Amino acid sequence: EAGVAQSPRYKIIEKRQSVAFWCNPISGHATLYWYQQILGQGPKLLIQFQNNGVVDDSQLPKDRFSAERLKGVDSTLKIQPAKLEDSAVYLCASSLRLSGALDTQYFGPGTRLTVL
Amino acid sequence: AQKVTQAQTEISVVEKEDVTLDCVYETRDTTYYLFWYKQPPSGELVFLIRRNSFDEQNEISGRYSWNFQKSTSSFNFTITASQVVDSAVYFCALSVDGGSNYKLTFGKGTLLTVNP
Repeated sequence: EAGVAQSPRYKIIEKRQSVAFWCNPISGHATLYWYQQILGQGPKLLIQFQNNGVVDDSQLPKDRFSAERLKGVDSTLKIQPAKLEDSAVYLCASSLRLSGALDTQYFGPGTRLTVL
Repeated sequence: AQKVTQAQTEISVVEKEDVTLDCVYETRDTTYYLFWYKQPPSGELVFLIRRNSFDEQNEISGRYSWNFQKSTSSFNFTITASQVVDSAVYFCALSVDGGSNYKLTFGKGTLLTVNP
């Protein structure tokens, strides 16, 4: 079974530029998550989708971050404009079920963003 | 609010030594789930174990074992006869039963270095 795919793996941009990340979850997984992992810290949830609907985006900086999952499969996360403090690894994860805290989240390799 | 504390920032051992990674959690919920993930240098978070709050039975999987004690709110992870390939950052995480809306709260991680 293929895992969670993410691209690009690395991205370097200047501050105030825009950037987009792509995630393809494990086939059949209804729930998709985007996390931000700053160096030396644990991942922090940015947004959670169930199919193509947003379940939780309470920690998403909505003035500059946006995310979509239009067809309930793959997803994009965008930052516009980027700030220096956005430098981090952006992790995508997916889980099988529509609901329930029992579900295990499976993570992709992440995209390492450096903002100069 | 949920909180996970991994007091050990870094641990260094010599191959074949046993090592225990500590995890202390805080939650007011009676139903919750605890996880351990491994993050090797490649960056991908690898799921290791999930444990629910009603199951305090310790678990062993090969060289890995987990000790869950509700009385001390701890979920410690022991690697027996450590190997160089065990070198990684290990994260403990907590989620609570919020129906369809739940998120993993991660600790800051413990960097384990196993030297040959």
